[in-house]
Amino acid sequence: GNSVTQMEGPVTLSEEAFLTINCTYTATGYPSLFWYVQYPGEGLQLLLKATKADDKGSNKGFEATYRKETTSFHLEKGSVQVSDSAVYFCALSGNSGYSTLTFGKGTMLLVSP
Amino acid sequence: DTAVSQTPKYLVTQMGNDKSIKCEQNLGHDTMYWYKQDSKKFLKIMFSYNNKELIINETVPNRFSPKSPDKAHLNLHINSLELGDSAVYFCASSQNRDNEQFFGPGTRLTVL
Repeated sequence: GNSVTQMEGPVTLSEEAFLTINCTYTATGYPSLFWYVQYPGEGLQLLLKATKADDKGSNKGFEATYRKETTSFHLEKGSVQVSDSAVYFCALSGNSGYSTLTFGKGTMLLVSP
Repeated sequence: DTAVSQTPKYLVTQMGNDKSIKCEQNLGHDTMYWYKQDSKKFLKIMFSYNNKELIINETVPNRFSPKSPDKAHLNLHINSLELGDSAVYFCASSQNRDNEQFFGPGTRLTVL
């Protein structure tokens, strides 16, 4: 079946540091890949997505590239802010009509001033 | 202009009670979902409906019964609540084949 593995958190960084959150996946076929963010006390919001190999998703300074050869979709940001503190979820969706999202376990990011 | 809304936001109840959580989306999406998020933030799909029809039913106790009166609503009824049901429940909806999902704000259920 499908599965997503993310690095364990929490990840603790100082403001303006470089961020990488690793995500690898196992899936049949050609899944779509997503990063969702959950701010404290809120629901999940889509951060970025990529639907085919070598696509790069980007939003709010975050980027992730769909690497089929390494089955990875690592999240990066060049300079984090305190407001980026949240839980980040990597997810994949199978390419059948009614597939659901399979989520990783989430990685908490804490950014200090 | 809320896209996916849930009520209530917080629900505190005693073991053995029956409770419902409501979800509505105004995005015109055909597919809706219920997820359970445990205390470690792990998210697990429970149910999925497409155009009011149940299409995914993961291994969930039959005390949980989803109901979709129309494609904009997906409610979750839980009978005989147990301590282990305490969690945050998220509703979501999607339209695109690539399954980009839009989530509600969550309902924090606490069973005492």
